[in-house]
Amino acid sequence: AQSVTQLDSQVPVFEEAPVELRCNYSSSVSVYLFWYVQYPNQGLQLLLKYLSGSTLVKGINGFEAEFNKSQTSFHLRKPSVHISDTAEYFCAVSAAGGGNKLTFGTGTQLKVEL
Amino acid sequence: GAVVSQHPSRVICKSGTSVKIECRSLDFQATTMFWYRQFPKKSLMLMATSNEGSKATYEQGVEKDKFLINHASLTLSTLTVTSAHPEDSSFYICSARDVSNEKLFFGSGTQLSVL
Repeated sequence: AQSVTQLDSQVPVFEEAPVELRCNYSSSVSVYLFWYVQYPNQGLQLLLKYLSGSTLVKGINGFEAEFNKSQTSFHLRKPSVHISDTAEYFCAVSAAGGGNKLTFGTGTQLKVEL
Repeated sequence: GAVVSQHPSRVICKSGTSVKIECRSLDFQATTMFWYRQFPKKSLMLMATSNEGSKATYEQGVEKDKFLINHASLTLSTLTVTSAHPEDSSFYICSARDVSNEKLFFGSGTQLSVL
């Protein structure tokens, strides 16, 4: 079984500042890793995913994440945030080849302020 | 992009009644759909995997007689909360896997409140 920990429930940041949302996972098997974003009253949207290959993954809206196997982390970063990035962000993990069966973290609310 | 429609977005019902939630893939076919439940400040918890034309696979601890899942077509899965009680109040989210590319798309969720 897999588990995901998102330690920060809320992250306030000023517009144009950089941000990092933390995600750590645990698993006894190889994993795929995902970041999803949920805007108010909308469904979850895939930001980026790591399946294999390069550990630095670039996603939509200028976000990127780095898979660190030794630290079992998959932190999400953006060098300069916008007001429109205000949303809930979920980290998720699945067993490699596990057929999209995802285990989610508790989410991090990113609040971008002027 | 691909769209998953989940209906209703919000429902309030009396204790003891049953509530049906629909999950539709609007522009793709989905042999597999997933149902999640989310409590405030908690992660999404997978309840069951819905398979078109066959019985759903429930996660440990989820009552299959309580949460009835039907996946009768390639574009529709329904979750029925039977004899709902206040403790069933929660946010329910579905996701659907596109058979053509294996990508996963989520609905916008249903907030269920049982009085």
